[in-house]
Amino acid sequence: DIVMTQSPDSLAVSLGERATINCKSSQSVLYSSNNKNYLAWYQQKPGQPPKLLIYWASTRESGVPDRFSGSGSGTDFTLTISSLQAEDVAVYYCQQYYGIITFGQGTRLEIK
Amino acid sequence: QVQLVQSGAEVKKPGASVKVSCKASGYTFTDYYIHWVRRAPGQGLEWMGRINPNSGATNYAQNFQGRVTMTRDTSISTAYLELSSLRSDDAAVYFCARPSGVIAATGHNWFDPWGQGTPVTVSS
Repeated sequence: DIVMTQSPDSLAVSLGERATINCKSSQSVLYSSNNKNYLAWYQQKPGQPPKLLIYWASTRESGVPDRFSGSGSGTDFTLTISSLQAEDVAVYYCQQYYGIITFGQGTRLEIK
Repeated sequence: QVQLVQSGAEVKKPGASVKVSCKASGYTFTDYYIHWVRRAPGQGLEWMGRINPNSGATNYAQNFQGRVTMTRDTSISTAYLELSSLRSDDAAVYFCARPSGVIAATGHNWFDPWGQGTPVTVSS
């Protein structure tokens, strides 16, 4: 199975500042025939199910604020929150759907 | 709107089985896989497997082979997850989730929507 490793495990950022979460896969999730990265990002708040933010590594889901962006290709990916808001406090997960589905271990984002 | 509604919280003893339901609405149930994912306390998300509601065919994660059974009842648009021989480390919130793409559209396996989650407690 493809192992997804996120860094850091936890992160504290001041309101209005940039937050960056990394995700590394143990093998490439770039499908050469369509040049798409099979990588999604989710946000999970306490007592709620995960919420889809990004798919195809960089396509923002409808309704997701544009301060959220995804980048990267192959094995290295990044979720960036350009200006942290209080409501962004959550655990963030990456997920690959190239092979048998696997998730990263999660990154807890807090306010500094 | 597309919605998945799960059954309520469960408390089970070690060695018992638990069965969680996931009722779909707002779309054609047999057009999309249903996946099951769990999150144990202090842990990340763990994919458990999926069922094709049209055929009933299943794919299970290796970690759960032999203990998990996924079924469905198309007459009521409901999928079920049954986990047997429960251990303390099976205590978790169990989620059902629907992928973005229909069964025939391979590769669209990001999840939206998700069910609200079913907490399962395992305690003697």
